[in-house]
Amino acid sequence: DGGITQSPKYLFRKEGQNVTLSCEQNLNHDAMYWYRQDPGQGLRLIYYSQIVNDFQKGDIAEGYSVSREKKESFPLTVTSAQKNPTAFYLCASTPDPAFGYTFGSGTRLTVV
Amino acid sequence: EDKVVQSPLSLVVHEGDTVTLNCSYEVTNFRSLLWYKQEKKAPTFLFMLTSSGIEKKSGRLSSILDKKELFSILNITATQTGDSAIYLCASWSSSNTGKLIFGQGTTLQVKP
Repeated sequence: DGGITQSPKYLFRKEGQNVTLSCEQNLNHDAMYWYRQDPGQGLRLIYYSQIVNDFQKGDIAEGYSVSREKKESFPLTVTSAQKNPTAFYLCASTPDPAFGYTFGSGTRLTVV
Repeated sequence: EDKVVQSPLSLVVHEGDTVTLNCSYEVTNFRSLLWYKQEKKAPTFLFMLTSSGIEKKSGRLSSILDKKELFSILNITATQTGDSAIYLCASWSSSNTGKLIFGQGTTLQVKP
């Protein structure tokens, strides 16, 4: 079945450590997105990529980095520079802006 | 700046009640408005609305768009405990990037 797979589902990180969240899709979608979800704030865009080997900052990119070396993969690294990384992270993709997103199941990151 | 605002932020009802969720938007070059339901993890697509005054319906859920007044409503009739979720409203950004701008979400709790 086609879809988006995010891993791990739960992640614990010590302060000062970088951590990478995985997002893989087999839908052959060109565009991929990373959102952060905090209670009462909806989804906020971190980074997005409209095509392989290219990506742009979203609204809250500080403290995060991404790569898009393959069409099916869009990993997100949460660096130690991110001041408040504890959140729920959602990856999404779409074949075309005329359609809605397909979302992954998310990764819940907790800094301990 | 493009903006999507949802109200109320949270709502508690009893089974059998009818609820109305609101979404207002300010988006240059508006194209469409989307509704998602998020139960535990991945938001799932409900409706996409592009034309004003046309109701989209799926079972007990329905939604309508008013492009003149810049808002949409999501109605749920005869609510069930399985309707408990976060309901997200989103609109495409006016920039040609495929970015979705989300509202804060409405958390609906349906009590037995």
